[in-house]
Amino acid sequence: DIVLTQSPGTLSLSPGDGATLSCRASQRVNSTYLAWYQQKPGQAPRLLIYAASNRTTGTSDRFSGSGSGTDFTLTINRLEPEDFAVYYCQQFGGSPLLTFGGGTRVEMK
Amino acid sequence: QVHLRESGGGVVQPGRSLTLSCVASGLSFSNFGMHWVRHVPGKGLEWVAFISYQGSYKYYTDSVKGRFTVSRDNSRNTLYLEMNSLRPEDTALYYCGQGPFVVVHHWGQGTPVAVSS
Repeated sequence: DIVLTQSPGTLSLSPGDGATLSCRASQRVNSTYLAWYQQKPGQAPRLLIYAASNRTTGTSDRFSGSGSGTDFTLTINRLEPEDFAVYYCQQFGGSPLLTFGGGTRVEMK
Repeated sequence: QVHLRESGGGVVQPGRSLTLSCVASGLSFSNFGMHWVRHVPGKGLEWVAFISYQGSYKYYTDSVKGRFTVSRDNSRNTLYLEMNSLRPEDTALYYCGQGPFVVVHHWGQGTPVAVSS
């Protein structure tokens, strides 16, 4: 099984700051199969990034994804109030079919 | 706009059964694979099951194999999750989501399942 470890668990930042979220896989992941989601309290997750670096329609260009192999990063530039949320990485392949990381909470300082 | 609405959740005793439904609109339902994903309170997201667009292929996470069955009725734009032999560890908010295979592109708002005596 591929395990995704996200760090840090919590980021305390202010609006206007930049955020760097890490997702490390226990085995190599095909970049095509790495995605990032945003979840706000009381809401369903929302797909932000797929194939490691492709933004979905409606995702601000302040969000960017990068990485390959076992190390992937979600970068958020100039945090807006609506960006404070929990972010999950997710990979496809193996068993189980999809696995999620434990999440990184981006909270307002 | 894609809209997914889950229903059927509730409180159930261990060992009992429950069937969740998910009605889709705003998409050609029969053209897309569908997922079930659950969110355990205080924990993260866990993928549960996937069904291909025609229902020919079904996949499950190990912890639910043999207990849960995913199915779909494309004539009704509806996805199902039949859950048998429920355990306390199945307690979660259950989301349906539109595929493809490798990601969950659109999500419903979820339906809660609580397994408790």
